[in-house]
Amino acid sequence: DADVTQTPRNRITKTGKRIMLECSQTKGHDRMYWYRQDPGLGLRLIYYSFDVKDINKGEISDGYSVSRQAQAKFSLSLESAIPNQTALYFCATSDFFSPQSGRTYEQYFGPGTRLTVT
Amino acid sequence: GESVGLHLPTLSVQEGDNSIINCAYSNSASDYFIWYKQESGKGPQFIIDIRSNMDKRQGQRVTVLLNKTVKHLSLQIAATQPGDSAVYFCAETNQAGTALIFGKGTTLSVSS
Repeated sequence: DADVTQTPRNRITKTGKRIMLECSQTKGHDRMYWYRQDPGLGLRLIYYSFDVKDINKGEISDGYSVSRQAQAKFSLSLESAIPNQTALYFCATSDFFSPQSGRTYEQYFGPGTRLTVT
Repeated sequence: GESVGLHLPTLSVQEGDNSIINCAYSNSASDYFIWYKQESGKGPQFIIDIRSNMDKRQGQRVTVLLNKTVKHLSLQIAATQPGDSAVYFCAETNQAGTALIFGKGTTLSVSS
């Protein structure tokens, strides 16, 4: 079974609709992230969470909200979807980052959700 | 501001050749860099990382070089194979060390 799962994998919705993307992980990591990927723009960070009570905005949080329901679950919501939110969305998890102690900052990514807003 | 970029959006090589993918970064205070590979239809996967106190790090068929003087990072893939065809992203830690900033990616195409 995959360590990081995302549901749905594909979604088409209409402008103005509320939509939630869900992410679950079995790696036991405290840290979880939501990214958006657009062609030619790479991955941009939307929100990240270091534990259930810690939520932080990323580079492009406007128009999005998140909920960390449990250590293993992190959901992304679009309260009122608009066409320029059409993109590929990735969830990721990581362990505690400590380069001084030799720990990497490897993030483990889910398979992605392709969202189309018409 | 913080940003990570790549020199070329696409790179085409022949099977068996060595590939070099380049990345320029702007934050001179960055102390950690990482390369990811993203195959079609999948999420990015970790390839190799390097800390700023190193100039070079080698993995299996891959080498990452860091030139802090010119803020340049490169990924070298030896004996490139068709399975190496993917989009490659470099990333650096943000100033707070709390997240990764990704570059725009280079698409590597390997022909037989």
